Amino acid sequence: NAGVTQTPKFRILKIGQSMTLQCTQDMNHNYMYWYRQDPGMGLKLIYYSVGAGITDKGEVPNGYNVSRSTTEDFPLRLELAAPSQTSVYFCASSYPPRVGQDTQYFGPGTRLTVL
Amino acid sequence: AQSVTQLDSHVSVSEGTPVLLRCNYSSSYSPSLFWYVQHPNKGLQLLLKYTSAATLVKGINGFEAEFKKSETSFHLTKPSAHMSDAAEYFCVVSDEADRGSTLGRLYFGRGTQLTVWP
Repeated sequence: NAGVTQTPKFRILKIGQSMTLQCTQDMNHNYMYWYRQDPGMGLKLIYYSVGAGITDKGEVPNGYNVSRSTTEDFPLRLELAAPSQTSVYFCASSYPPRVGQDTQYFGPGTRLTVL
Repeated sequence: AQSVTQLDSHVSVSEGTPVLLRCNYSSSYSPSLFWYVQHPNKGLQLLLKYTSAATLVKGINGFEAEFKKSETSFHLTKPSAHMSDAAEYFCVVSDEADRGSTLGRLYFGRGTQLTVWP
């Protein structure tokens, strides 16, 4: 199993540009998540999905959009990049959270800089 | 509300000496608790987790953590630090209330940077 994969690893955007961060998992997990990590902070939840076709907002959704057309893929879209979106983005996946099954598995991250 | 406090933002130890990374949490219900490690420019790797079984949890690479409900703590320890342990460590809580909902919400601490000196 490759686990959770993310592309690209690094990206520099200009203000106002758009891009899609890709995330794929091969563990047949229903739940998928997008987080951002700012310096000196823990991870903050942007969006999550409980299955294909179902997504919802997390703590910090403004400026982002997501879609979930398949179990495997959960892309994150930035429509109008802003310097405040400079961060490291992590995708994660898990089984439906129950006792003993709430471990989330993380991808390697995408480091995004907006100038 | 659920929250996690990592009491030290930086910890420095010499190789071969014990490691202690401190974590306190607040949770309304029975929590699951995790420690994740992040090496430079890498993703997060699960070190260990507590899910209401034994209070002393053993993880990978010689790490272990003890769940103390009376102190609301989940400190991470290792008897002897290795250079390869240098990384950032995150204490994370998942709440049973959230597990009962549609979202397995994780609450992250701010992280503790561990430096290991030769």
